[in-house]
Amino acid sequence: SYELIQPPSVSVSPGQTASITCSGDKLGEKYVCWYQQKPGQSPVLVIYGDNSRPSGIPERFAGSNSGNTAILTITGAQASDEADYFCQAWDSSAPVTFGGGTKVTVL
Amino acid sequence: QVLLQESGPGLVKPSDTLSLTCTVSDGSISDYYWSWIRQSPGKGLEYIGYIYTTETSNYNPSLKSRLTISLDTSKNQISLTVTSVTAADTAVYYCARLRVGVGGYFDSWGQGTLVTVSA
Repeated sequence: SYELIQPPSVSVSPGQTASITCSGDKLGEKYVCWYQQKPGQSPVLVIYGDNSRPSGIPERFAGSNSGNTAILTITGAQASDEADYFCQAWDSSAPVTFGGGTKVTVL
Repeated sequence: QVLLQESGPGLVKPSDTLSLTCTVSDGSISDYYWSWIRQSPGKGLEYIGYIYTTETSNYNPSLKSRLTISLDTSKNQISLTVTSVTAADTAVYYCARLRVGVGGYFDSWGQGTLVTVSA
């Protein structure tokens, strides 16, 4: 089965840039999306189609995907960005795979 | 703004069948794909399966033998059935709308419902 690997945690200072990686075999050949989940809440889509932002998601969230790695970048991190982030890949053969999640701490 | 609301028993006994319903407000379920996803306490997200029509569905291979996902268009509901549950099935169960186009992604989620498997 397909696997996506994320670092368990990432720390970032307020106003700085956080990069969250998601690695998988030939991941660049699949579409990747990202979800933000705050404690006690449902996940929220922040990036889809590798690098598109849904309506209402701040511009400081950006995505990229190439080779074996997708990256979610938060530019100018804010305290409100502190959350768990999950990547998800879509492939027609094994349609949905989630990464294990990364806890982002803003301090 | 589509709203999704999961409902069902919060406690299920081991070896019993877990049945959940997701009611969709503000839009017909016939127009979209729908999915179930679960999250064990303190853990990550696990894909369960999706349905578009009875003929168009997909299940997580690791759960497939115990799963049924179905639609009731007259009630605008999506249902999930998991048979022979064990403690490993204890999780928050989410229903979500699946958009398929630029890949597949879940753009609307229910609030989730906690199901505990225990005697």
